[in-house]
Amino acid sequence: DAGITQSPRHKVTETGTPVTLRCHQTENHRYMYWYRQDPGHGLRLIHYSYGVKDTDKGEVSDGYSVSRSKTEDFLLTLESATSSQTSVYFCAITEGLAGGQETQYFGPGTRLLVL
Amino acid sequence: DQQVKQNSPSLSVQEGRISILNCDYTNSMFDYFLWYKKYPAEGPTFLISISSIKDKNEDGRFTVFLNKSAKHLSLHIVPSQPGDSAVYFCAASAAYSGAGSYQLTFGKGTKLSVIP
Repeated sequence: DAGITQSPRHKVTETGTPVTLRCHQTENHRYMYWYRQDPGHGLRLIHYSYGVKDTDKGEVSDGYSVSRSKTEDFLLTLESATSSQTSVYFCAITEGLAGGQETQYFGPGTRLLVL
Repeated sequence: DQQVKQNSPSLSVQEGRISILNCDYTNSMFDYFLWYKKYPAEGPTFLISISSIKDKNEDGRFTVFLNKSAKHLSLHIVPSQPGDSAVYFCAASAAYSGAGSYQLTFGKGTKLSVIP
């Protein structure tokens, strides 16, 4: 168990509403990631963080923003949810030792339905 | 442009036999490869990895083979068990090169069904 929790685990919302998903880790790892998983696409990186207040975009960042004010928490915000953002969202962490070949460990996921 | 490809969306194997899951990649900068296993309604769990300096890594019933010249890796499960039924994702990362590193590129997954 990698000590990662995600909240909420399930959410139904309406188009146009803001949504925030939370990832919390107890491992004090430097790197945190948000992915979405959709049928036929595998896992795609949305945003990642390499430290407090240090974030960058991934492959599918449009429509999403993130914040990391504490090492243990990484928030993903959908400013105005759309039906195309219906997906399962996974958070992942890795220790990020310089020069290492890192394994990412995943949280249990948040299933989001945008109506 | 898919950099990591799992060309078989699904695979069925009899219990006790060998399961072979394949993965191809196109980016020659990838130097670390991982396999994850995913059950429905759960997060992916790390299974096994291999560095590009090796061609084989073994962990119990799971063995990963890497053929760098062919840009191909495979996961062997011997013997296959019904509990191995899951979606398997292949992932790859490039050598560390700064803050943006440790990113994984995933394949689309292969659904393995082990038939009792």
